[in-house]
Amino acid sequence: GAVVSQHPSWVICKSGTSVKIECRSLDFQATTMFWYRQFPKQSLMLMATSNEGSKATYEQGVEKDKFLINHASLTLSTLTVTSAHPEDSSFYICSAEIDQRAFEQYFGPGTRLTVT
Amino acid sequence: DAKTTQPNSMESNEEEPVHLPCNHSTISGTDYIHWYRQLPSQGPEYVIHGLTSNVNNRMASLAIAEDRKSSTLILHRATLRDAAVYYCILRHISGNTPLVFGKGTRLSVIA
Repeated sequence: GAVVSQHPSWVICKSGTSVKIECRSLDFQATTMFWYRQFPKQSLMLMATSNEGSKATYEQGVEKDKFLINHASLTLSTLTVTSAHPEDSSFYICSAEIDQRAFEQYFGPGTRLTVT
Repeated sequence: DAKTTQPNSMESNEEEPVHLPCNHSTISGTDYIHWYRQLPSQGPEYVIHGLTSNVNNRMASLAIAEDRKSSTLILHRATLRDAAVYYCILRHISGNTPLVFGKGTRLSVIA
């Protein structure tokens, strides 16, 4: 099956700093990628839809100026958490599809962010 | 997206079959039924999907009720590696939309 990678797999940063998380589709091109956030013992919450070459679409309640998404190529989307605070500590997961008719979404392994 | 209802948790003995139910009484004719699972500290992975007919693949089987208002994911022989949270998700046939995750069912497998 297709592979989606994320980097880093875990990161610890200080409050007030910014952190960039990369999501790559390794063996296919993805015009659309999705970003999710998952708090402990909870389900995945959709944050935004990332489209190659255009602005991301954010879900209600997600601050677009805080969670910057860039989808500059068909194989790479990045999520930057700006001015991170302890409440941003979470498990961030991306997913991608090969094309619109695909029935299967491929998920990355996730990035665990801890803000101290 | 239409809502799904799943039991919070289930338990199974190793090597025995597991039937994971999902209710989706408001499903529309253009919704596919998808199942994903998430192992601890990992991203979700695709398990199976179907529209009307029962489906089989190497991981599991999907039994869909005739009225499509419920479905059951069947793991034929549970192993310890099948311990995960299983999500039943409805998704429009047009695709290219994000998956909306509910709470899922946490499956525990006992050796």
